Amino acid sequence: EVQLLESGGDLVQPGGSLRLSCAASGFTFSNNAMSWVRQAPGKGLEWVAIISASGGITQYADSVKGRATISRDNSANTLFLQMHTVRVEDTAVYFCAGESFHYWGQGTLVTVSS
Amino acid sequence: QSALTQPPSASGSPGQSVTISCTGTSSDVGGHNFVSWYQQYPGKAPKLMIYEVNKRLSGVPDRFSGSKSGNTASLTVSGLRAEDEADYYCSSYAGNNNYVFGTGTKVTVL
Repeated sequence: EVQLLESGGDLVQPGGSLRLSCAASGFTFSNNAMSWVRQAPGKGLEWVAIISASGGITQYADSVKGRATISRDNSANTLFLQMHTVRVEDTAVYFCAGESFHYWGQGTLVTVSS
Repeated sequence: QSALTQPPSASGSPGQSVTISCTGTSSDVGGHNFVSWYQQYPGKAPKLMIYEVNKRLSGVPDRFSGSKSGNTASLTVSGLRAEDEADYYCSSYAGNNNYVFGTGTKVTVL
């Protein structure tokens, strides 16, 4: 059974940093590109970032470009998202998704507030 | 990277059909056959239903179908059932490893 389990969501002050993790199991993690998608409270889905299977290619949404870094550890089947200089508008549930969005985790809530 | 445009809401009675549109540009929906549709219940993760415009994920009822014409993709739900009441989102590949999601449509079964 495919499982994606996000963690690291927390209350963060504006201007601070966050690091999210996504532990994968049940599929060949190292063969799949992985993405982060977020959803602000009561709002729609927003694609955030993607990383290739090997980790050599990354791309970011304009809204986080320059502030976010997506990375992965294929030996540990884990995906990461680091973000600095966070803003109130970064408040959202962050989902990790794999294999062209076939697989989704349950999400982790990040709240940016003073 | 503008969101794809979907109607905020759609509704139908049980047994009827409802069609949701997803309008983008020639850079995303119109330029690639990588349009997907997702169903999301409140407080839950999205679930992929349709990928590559019209391919149903295994286990998805054939009441769900996808299509595309030009810069607009569509999801049709035939034979509406109470359990189809949910939020629906489209997404599209937008080139250069970018993706974009739709604004979302709330489907109500009357």
